[in-house]
Parts: sequence; structure tokens; C-alpha cells
Amino acid sequence: KAGVTQTPRYLIKTRGQQVTLSCSPISGHRSVSWYQQTPGQGLQFLFEYFSETQRNKGNFPGRFSGRQFSNSRSEMNVSTLELGDSALYLCASSLGLTNEKLFFGSGTQLSVL
Amino acid sequence: EDQVTQSPEALRLQEGESSSLNCSYTVSGLRGLFWYRQDPGKGPEFLFTLYSAGEEKEKERLKATLTKKESFLHITAPKPEDSATYLCAVQAGVGGSNYKLTFGKGTLLTVNP
Repeated sequence: KAGVTQTPRYLIKTRGQQVTLSCSPISGHRSVSWYQQTPGQGLQFLFEYFSETQRNKGNFPGRFSGRQFSNSRSEMNVSTLELGDSALYLCASSLGLTNEKLFFGSGTQLSVL
Repeated sequence: EDQVTQSPEALRLQEGESSSLNCSYTVSGLRGLFWYRQDPGKGPEFLFTLYSAGEEKEKERLKATLTKKESFLHITAPKPEDSATYLCAVQAGVGGSNYKLTFGKGTLLTVNP
């Protein structure tokens, strides 16, 4: 069974640009969560989608947005990039039930110059 | 606000030297405490879920325990391949089907041969 796939693996952007990251969950998983990982803050929750609906949202500015498609694939978008947005962005999938484990992808490493 | 604190930040052991990692938490309504392992360049990999104080779970050389304020990850006779960052996370809240994990910053474990 294929794991969670995130593309691209690496991305370099400049301040002010926007970026779209993609996540394909494990087949059959309906929930997709996004996390930002930085050395200083660790992993921080961005948002979670289930059946194309945002179910929960973390404390990030509106520049961070996401969506989920009918096949459960998800994208997140960051507009007007800032230097502080440089991070590893991780996607995780699950069946969508409470208290179940998450399966993480290897992440997209975003560098903002 | 949910808080998770892991200690120590880094731990260096000799092969075979047992030790414990600590995860202390402050949450309103704990629904689950999770341990993950993260290798360099990869996403976190699920290890354990603990739900209530007094619960214990084991997997190979790892044993996780939970009290009302903290969790411990005991590593018995570690091997170099146990070297990784160990992350603790809590899921909290009352009701609903939202899925949001609050992570600690992790403990970087290095096991020397």
C-alpha cells in the first residue's frame, strides 16, 4: 500500500511569491492534516480536512489556506511568502476517526529567499 | 492553551545503556497521547497511543507509560538504529470530530556503538 505522497520535495521561492503544495493520502483515508515544522517551533498544526470540509484550523494567518478534493487529495497554499515561512511542511492522513494514528509524508522543504 | 514539553532536548547514550525520555503536558480533556519517531529527512512515524493514566504499551526496546501529567518513553538496551528524534503529541478537547495534535519539540536521541 502506497504511503502519503507529497510534492514537490523541495521548493525555493522569493518573498512575496505564492506557493502550492500537494498531498496524496493513503488510499481509503479521508482525513488530511497539514503541519509546519521548524527548528524553533517544532511541529505546529495548520489545518485538517475531512470529506472536502475544513474540520479544524490552527493559529496561522489567512495567507495559509488549503483545500481537499473529492478523491481526498489535498493542497495547501501560502500567499505573499515571508522569510519566516521557510519550513518543512508535512501532510498526514488518516481514516478520519478520533484518536487514531496519523501517517505522515516526507514533507516539502520550502525555502523563502 | 494545550502545552507539551519534552526533556531532555538531546540525549546521547552508549549502546546498551537504558534511559527514559519525558513528556509533560497541560491540556483540557486529554483524548490521547501519541509518541512518534522521526528520522532525518522523513516525516514522523507512529509508535504508540496512550489514552488514560496508568496505561503502558511496549514495542521491541521501547515502552511508553502515562500519568495524569506526563508520559515517559523508556528505552531498554538501545541500539544505534534507535537514534532518531522522538516526538510526543497530545490530542485534547471535548466532543467533535476534529483532529488536532499539539506536539512537543522532541528529544534528539543518539546511540553510539
